[in-house]
Amino acid sequence: GEDVEQSLFLSVREGDSSVINCTYTDSSSTYLYWYKQEPGAGLQLLTYIFSNMDMKQDQRLTVLLNKKDKHLSLRIADTQTGDSAIYFCAESRNSWGKFQFGAGTQVVVTP
Amino acid sequence: NAGVTQTPKFQVLKTGQSMTLQCAQDMNHNSMYWYRQDPGMGLRLIYYSASEGTTDKGEVPNGYNVSRLNKREFSLRLESAAPSQTSVYFCASSADRGRYEQYFGPGTRLTVT
Repeated sequence: GEDVEQSLFLSVREGDSSVINCTYTDSSSTYLYWYKQEPGAGLQLLTYIFSNMDMKQDQRLTVLLNKKDKHLSLRIADTQTGDSAIYFCAESRNSWGKFQFGAGTQVVVTP
Repeated sequence: NAGVTQTPKFQVLKTGQSMTLQCAQDMNHNSMYWYRQDPGMGLRLIYYSASEGTTDKGEVPNGYNVSRLNKREFSLRLESAAPSQTSVYFCASSADRGRYEQYFGPGTRLTVT
């Protein structure tokens, strides 16, 4: 079964905040990541968090990690139409950095 | 600085044909990866190479082979293409231990008829 789970779709109005959620199963995960994929392109790293952190903020992006519940979230403040994309949650599981990706959340920003 | 490049961008094959997808990175990264992306399934790892000279199977290796030609290049070969291999293929690379950001290529869209 899938070890990283995400909801598949999120619709948000321009200017509102978006929250994308992810759950993972491996408690030994070292790093957790959020990637963005725009149509026809590869994945681009947005941000990542070490497993010993609870929160990371980077401009409009806030990542929250709840290790007890194995829950990761990405909040995008003041969502813009350029934020429309697929967002992937990923974890790396061991010391050399093998990755496990979720199925991706399609975010659609409406005017 | 091109990052990760992949060729070709698009390819149509008939069942049973073979082809090689090429990937190169210019960031002096040690690790390289091949993924396939199918709707609703995220990215699934096909093969990876932790360092030059080594390759290992990922989650879905059947029907594929890889070659880590040198530190820069990592190719993926389909020996006898099947319709189930219709997918978008991404190559990625990452630096050595300590920081695990992966850099992705633009992808190859493969259709097998």
